[in-house]
Amino acid sequence: AQRVTQPEKLLSVFKGAPVELKCNYSYSGSPELFWYVQYSRQRLQLLLRHISRESIKGFTADLNKGETSFHLKKPFAQEEDSAMYYCALLNQAGTALIFGKGTTLSVSS
Amino acid sequence: DTAVSQTPKYLVTQMGNDKSIKCEQNLGHDTMYWYKQDSKKFLKIMFSYNNKELIINETVPNRFSPKSPDKAHLNLHINSLELGDSAVYFCASSQDRNEQYFGPGTRLTVT
Repeated sequence: AQRVTQPEKLLSVFKGAPVELKCNYSYSGSPELFWYVQYSRQRLQLLLRHISRESIKGFTADLNKGETSFHLKKPFAQEEDSAMYYCALLNQAGTALIFGKGTTLSVSS
Repeated sequence: DTAVSQTPKYLVTQMGNDKSIKCEQNLGHDTMYWYKQDSKKFLKIMFSYNNKELIINETVPNRFSPKSPDKAHLNLHINSLELGDSAVYFCASSQDRNEQYFGPGTRLTVT
């Protein structure tokens, strides 16, 4: 079965604190994983994809095949990081994204 | 320039009505999608179209029908609207297995 699990519905941190948004997946073979971000009432935007290994807005994510995880991390959270974060998996056929239920990140000062 | 656009942004209508949501992309992508985001913010694929052919349909009621007049457009028609259809509908496009670009969403409210 192809599935994405984001165990935290809400994550609240203070500005400057480290952030880790958890994502686990279920997939046969080599997964293609993404993190999308949705700011309040805006469209989804790609934040990261695992094959690019880029750091966007200070966020990084490493694919751990042994733990079937793709956690999103940032060493120092900013208030503007407050948003909904979705972990997504490209399905086997490559025809659609399977999304986790999303984690709301709230950063306060 | 907007890459993926949707109209209308908001749609309020009564149960039983038929409505359409339009989507256009100017990226030259060959695949377009419709996703539904429910009240709990859960996103799920509804349809995808590749070169004007429907390639998946995820247990969506047949009241929903995608129509693609050309590669740059994928419209969503909904017949006999029900209260449970209230959601935000996102259109997206991609080239092959690459990044999907999303539209701004259409917030549908059925009363």
